[in-house]
Amino acid sequence: QLQLQESGPGLVKPSETLSLTCSVSGGSISSPTYYGGWIRQPPGKGLEWIGSIYYSGSSYNNPSLKSRVTISMDTSRTQLSLKLTSVTAADTAVYYCARQRGYCSNTSCQLLFESWGQGTLVTVSS
Amino acid sequence: EIVLTQSPGTLSLSPGDRATLSCRASQNVNNYLAWYQQNPGQAPRLLISDASSRATGIPDRFSGSGSGTDFTLTISRLEPEDFAVYYCQQYGSPPPLTFGGGTKVEIK
Repeated sequence: QLQLQESGPGLVKPSETLSLTCSVSGGSISSPTYYGGWIRQPPGKGLEWIGSIYYSGSSYNNPSLKSRVTISMDTSRTQLSLKLTSVTAADTAVYYCARQRGYCSNTSCQLLFESWGQGTLVTVSS
Repeated sequence: EIVLTQSPGTLSLSPGDRATLSCRASQNVNNYLAWYQQNPGQAPRLLISDASSRATGIPDRFSGSGSGTDFTLTISRLEPEDFAVYYCQQYGSPPPLTFGGGTKVEIK
């Protein structure tokens, strides 16, 4: 059974870089069928897509986060990584990784969030 | 960016009641709409894809309908575990993927 587990610091200082890892077991995100994605949810609020990456390395990010986001996949394709630079209090949220099914390009992004990790809370505070 | 508007914000119902949740898109997304359920302290769970296809293991009391800009999630008879927050998500456009603001189904 596919399992995704997020890990990383629970507290990050303003202006620093948030770094999270998602470990994938019991299944794959490294096939033509799947993408790996990150989503976040501020406390008491809704869901926001951060970005997604294909096993080939192609990635697509939410323009609202501009160039602050980097999503990568390790060479074994069992770990996803998220880096978010220059964080502020507005970046405080539960961060989820997910396996996505579908297809994405710059003109059409047809991706579902099929399986989710349990999420990890990251607080931005000095 | 496609904006999804969910209504109502909160639905107060009793176990056994029928729940009808709405999601309206600011532009045509064809049938590229999904529904997720989120229980407190848990990650969301995919319920419905392509507007009306139940995900694996989802009970048949959950059904989705609609296309274009107007979509509905119906829970035919609410079970205790169905009291949760429900989100719609569109995937019928260029990035970004977007979610609605959620509908909370609470016990009356």
